[in-house]
Amino acid sequence: GIQVEQSPPDLILQEGANSTLRCNFSDSVNNLQWFHQNPWGQLINLFYIPSGTKQNGRLSATTVATERYSLLYISSSQTTDSGVYFCAVLTGANSKLTFGKGITLSVRP
Amino acid sequence: NAGVTQTPKFRILKIGQSMTLQCAQDMNHNYMYWYRQDPGMGLKLIYYSVGAGITDKGEVPNGYNVSRSTTEDFPLRLELAAPSQTSVYFCASSYRRERAGELFFGEGSRLTVL
Repeated sequence: GIQVEQSPPDLILQEGANSTLRCNFSDSVNNLQWFHQNPWGQLINLFYIPSGTKQNGRLSATTVATERYSLLYISSSQTTDSGVYFCAVLTGANSKLTFGKGITLSVRP
Repeated sequence: NAGVTQTPKFRILKIGQSMTLQCAQDMNHNYMYWYRQDPGMGLKLIYYSVGAGITDKGEVPNGYNVSRSTTEDFPLRLELAAPSQTSVYFCASSYRRERAGELFFGEGSRLTVL
């Protein structure tokens, strides 16, 4: 099946810093989503982005489907950005999203 | 809007007990899913449904059962609970197939089997 690798596995930032989170996938995809899991365990849909670039406030995401990667940019990070960021992809005819293992982000005040 | 609602949020079971995790959505979504998340891991699909009366297995279905009698509800049944089923369970829904639609999650149900 498709492999989804996220990097780096852990990231520690000072409040106000910028960061780039990466998601590589091993096959072409029909769907790619970024989720944020906050420290209370809640999963929040950030971007649905099978290709192209989207922006939402301080967050933006770019997927280059032909090169099989997606990037999530966080600018001017805040402590509330802490948590785990998951990339999930769907490929082919099945309905199964494959999740990466996540990137744990800690933003220090 | 309530979105996707899961109950209970926490539960402790003894080995061999059974229970049902409830999931309801009020967004009129056709597609519903159950995932489990183990510590330090991503989510794995247990079962999914593409509409009332239609369900199918995901990646890790053993030890679980589902039913979908209405568009709104998608309960997950654990029979003969085992320690390996200790996990956080997430229900999700989407308007269209995952390949075209966005996925929305409930807040999760933390289950411990002792």
